[in-house]
Formats: sequence, C-alpha cells, structure tokens
Amino acid sequence: DVKVTQSSRYLVKRTGEKVFLECVQDMDHENMFWYRQDPGLGLRLIYFSYDVKMKEKGDIPEGYSVSREKKERFSLILESASTNQTSMYLCASSLRVSGNTIYFGEGSWLTVV
Amino acid sequence: KQEVTQIPAALSVPEGENLVLNCSFTDSAIYNLQWFRQDPGKGLTSLLLIQSSQREQTSGRLNASLDKSSGRSTLYIAASQPGDSATYLCAVRLWGDDKIIFGKGTRLHILP
Repeated sequence: DVKVTQSSRYLVKRTGEKVFLECVQDMDHENMFWYRQDPGLGLRLIYFSYDVKMKEKGDIPEGYSVSREKKERFSLILESASTNQTSMYLCASSLRVSGNTIYFGEGSWLTVV
Repeated sequence: KQEVTQIPAALSVPEGENLVLNCSFTDSAIYNLQWFRQDPGKGLTSLLLIQSSQREQTSGRLNASLDKSSGRSTLYIAASQPGDSATYLCAVRLWGDDKIIFGKGTRLHILP
C-alpha cells in the first residue's frame, strides 16, 4: 500500500528555533510537495521537488527552505520559527508522469510559541 | 492564474439523501482533476481522479464528472451516510505543470 510518512504529528517550538519537518515516501515517486493548510486559506504550496537535489518555490516559500538528498525523503526547514508559521503542514508525493494520483501524509501540526 | 472554487463552504444533509458537491476552475487547460476527502486533523485521501479526456469516474457510491468547457466538476454522493461527514476538496493539475491547485473545500455534515 502507498505510504507517505511524516515523522512528527505534533510539535511545539519556540520563536526563533530551527525546525525540521521530515517526510518519507515508499513509492519511488519523483515528485514531492510541502503544503501548509490554514482555516479559510486552504492548502498553499510552499515548495516542491521533482528530483533529488531539485526544488522549486511554490506560492509561499518565504521563511522556509527544503532539502532532498535522497529520492524518498523531503525535508521542510523553518530556519527561525515565527508564530505566523503555526499551522498544519502536509507532505505529498506523486509520480512525475502527469495524470497520476497525489498521495498525502497524515500531516504535522506545528505550534510556535 | 488558475483558481479553483468550491461552493458552498459547508453543507448539512439528512442521512440517506443524494447530494452534489461543486467545483469550478478558471483555466480549462487542465490535465486532470482530483477529488479528495479530509477528516478532521488528518491528511487528504484521494477519492477519484478524472483525466482531461474523460467525462466521469465512479467508485462505489461516488461519481465525479468533468466539463472542461464550462470549467466545472461535480462529486455526486449517493445514499449519504454519517461516515461521509468530512471536508471534500477538489484539485486541478495544469498541462505541463507538476503543481496541483486546490480549492478550499466543502465541509459536509450528514445528519443521522
């Protein structure tokens, strides 16, 4: 069965801390995505990657960076967490070939205090 | 810029009724459209994927249709059950683009 695993479901971090959110997929997918989801704003794309070491900015990349050193793993990094980054973060993956389903992880709830 | 809209934002329906959820998009040059379900505090689960060359897809009590020319898709749920209560999101993928654009979803509540 297809699986996208986000390592942390719930995190509480202090303002200014560096935060790592990890995502692993076991489907050999080329594409991986990071979204954040906020009430009234829906899902917004932060970054996506279509290959190892490749990345592209989404709609809201400010304050975030990403790392993809291995095909199965895509990390989201908050260099200096701020309270406005309190949100639900969702990782997803899909095959590069268009027309394929996108699969999501269970989400990571981040609270920055 | 592609925009995806889902109206209404919330819907309550008595158990057993058939219902339709709506999704509209501004750019008809889509590659595919996908419907998702999201339970509170959870990730998204794919329900149906419709390629641009298709008109509809069915899975059990769910039927999704696509009309590219009018920029619309519907998700039909037959004989609704309390377990269908969730938020339903649609998302489109454009030609030649890896990105997927989501609507904000319709929060569905099935009344027992």
